[in-house]
Amino acid sequence: GAGVSQTPSNKVTEKGKYVELRCDPISGHTALYWYRQSLGQGPEFLIYFQGTGAADDSGLPNDRFFAVRPEGSVSTLKIQRTERGDSAVYLCASSPSTGHTEAFFGQGTRLTVV
Amino acid sequence: AQSVTQLGSHVSVSEGALVLLRCNYSSSVPPYLFWYVQYPNQGLQLLLKYTTGATLVKGINGFEAEFKKSETSFHLTKPSAHMSDAAEYFCAVSPNDYKLSFGAGTTVTVRA
Repeated sequence: GAGVSQTPSNKVTEKGKYVELRCDPISGHTALYWYRQSLGQGPEFLIYFQGTGAADDSGLPNDRFFAVRPEGSVSTLKIQRTERGDSAVYLCASSPSTGHTEAFFGQGTRLTVV
Repeated sequence: AQSVTQLGSHVSVSEGALVLLRCNYSSSVPPYLFWYVQYPNQGLQLLLKYTTGATLVKGINGFEAEFKKSETSFHLTKPSAHMSDAAEYFCAVSPNDYKLSFGAGTTVTVRA
């Protein structure tokens, strides 16, 4: 596609359930990033992939959060035992390599935990 | 650690007036500095970036920002606001070339 695609655009889930959020980066982009944006705040860094490996996962808030990128393209952010505090917009970005000048953001997935 | 403070969560300007969005940062190392814009129902878009060199950085859509090390500031300006500038603007700092620390954002409304 022409840009970074995130699906679903909206997700409502019950507290305690498991969710997966998908990110399709721009074709050929080796670097992929996940951010979380809570209401009234700026995006917060979660994890950065270079190729298939997570080069920096220091932003993941706890072990309920996990992300994969098995083939170096599509990435999935997985949240176990969701809590109401996980409600936020989850943003994905990709770039041809490292360097934010070339990073492109998707429109995000709005997660609501009820 | 790096952090960003954006002064004013909402700014309202008249069409044709100066737009000034304030950003101050704290960083233990010389930072990379960014401004992003988010239009309604769209993803974040890079407006401009400072790494090294000239302290006055020009970006897209007529925006520019000046890096002032002595003031630890990176304020964003546009001489004449247009209705299409209505959006949310984020200042960000990075100690490297991949992780961004964003401010809380400033929402700009433009009055006709």
